[in-house]
Amino acid sequence: ETGVTQSPTHLIKTRGQQVTLRCSSQSGHNTVSWYQQALGQGPQFIFQYYREEENGRGNFPPRFSGLQFPNYSSELNVNALELDDSALYLCASSSRDSQETQYFGPGTRLLVL
Amino acid sequence: AQSVTQLDSQVPVFEEAPVELRCNYSSSVSVYLFWYVQYPNQGLQLLLKYLSGSTLVKGINGFEAEFNKSQTSFHLRKPSVHISDTAEYFCAVSGYNQGGKLIFGQGTELSVKP
Repeated sequence: ETGVTQSPTHLIKTRGQQVTLRCSSQSGHNTVSWYQQALGQGPQFIFQYYREEENGRGNFPPRFSGLQFPNYSSELNVNALELDDSALYLCASSSRDSQETQYFGPGTRLLVL
Repeated sequence: AQSVTQLDSQVPVFEEAPVELRCNYSSSVSVYLFWYVQYPNQGLQLLLKYLSGSTLVKGINGFEAEFNKSQTSFHLRKPSVHISDTAEYFCAVSGYNQGGKLIFGQGTELSVKP
């Protein structure tokens, strides 16, 4: 059984640029959630995708957007990057029957200069 | 809405000593509760979860937690810690029928010394 994978592992961007982060869900999982973890903080919920549609969103501006594909993989896009977007971005997947239990990937560390 | 408070930001402890990491939550609805562990430069690993039933939950690596509804707490315990337990521990909550959207505490850094 393959776990949750994310790419890239690290990324450096400059303020104002755009970034796309990718996530492959665990085998058999059809729900993907994205979290932002700033240094020294707990993760914060960005949004969740189920059946290729957004299924809930946290307190993040519209420049944070996402996609889910038919194979349940997902992308997180961030436009107009700001310095405060520097963080570890975590993807988590879950099954529809057990949506409350989420399994996390290793994360993508984004640094905005 | 839910919130989680982890009462200790850092917990230093000697190897083979017992440890308790404290977590309190608030919610207007019934909740599911979780503990995750994060090793340096890694993602989150699920330690244990409370969904329903017995209030004492056993997880991986010898950890256990007890759900106390009246005190709105979900403290994590281990009777004897190892050096390898050194990590950041996060308590999280999600509301019933909220699709598993997790609200996390700020984390507790457990440092196990020889």
